[in-house]
Amino acid sequence: NAGVTQTPKFQVLKTGQSMTLQCAQDMNHNSMYWYRQDPGMGLRLIYYSASEGTTDKGEVPNGYNVSRLNKREFSLRLESAAPSQTSVYFCASRMGLKSNYGYTFGSGTRLTVV
Amino acid sequence: DQQVKQNSPSLSVQEGRISILNCDYTNSMFDYFLWYKKYPAEGPTFLISISSIKDKNEDGRFTVFLNKSAKHLSLHIVPSQPGDSAVYFCAARRSNFGNEKLTFGTGTRLTIIP
Repeated sequence: NAGVTQTPKFQVLKTGQSMTLQCAQDMNHNSMYWYRQDPGMGLRLIYYSASEGTTDKGEVPNGYNVSRLNKREFSLRLESAAPSQTSVYFCASRMGLKSNYGYTFGSGTRLTVV
Repeated sequence: DQQVKQNSPSLSVQEGRISILNCDYTNSMFDYFLWYKKYPAEGPTFLISISSIKDKNEDGRFTVFLNKSAKHLSLHIVPSQPGDSAVYFCAARRSNFGNEKLTFGTGTRLTIIP
């Protein structure tokens, strides 16, 4: 099925470990996003990429890095995981700046840092 | 600073009745608003949107109303069905070039009672 694919779906990390969350879309969308969802906080933007080759910080970028590997793939890296990064992470994509269609989200990665 | 607020964390409605979900925003620069629906263990899915030049947009059982002077929007679902039970997120966007990020509310969990 076309859409946004996130891997892994679940992950448990120890404090200080690193990992990369993978995201790929097959809709030829230009823009891609990483959000985190925490109870009572809604979805908060971590980083986004308006187009291939560009990335920008969102609302809560500290502790994360991103790579827009190509038009399809946008990865999120935690260099040294902390318990505060326990969350559900969603990747999303959108056609472009002038598109008024909503974002397409992946099914999420549930990350626990112990 | 929560720019998009959903003050009701939960709402229960009888099947067949109208469900009304509310959302308030503080940033007068927002000019496009969206509603997303989220089932457990899935990513949010786009439901309906409205531009700030309109005050109403309808799609089947779903209608979104926008009151710009009050900085308030609402989602009406008529008639409510059991499959509508989900978490609903309101989101807002500024459409300036280079600033295409969505700001989400904290969500309202809707439960439809059979």
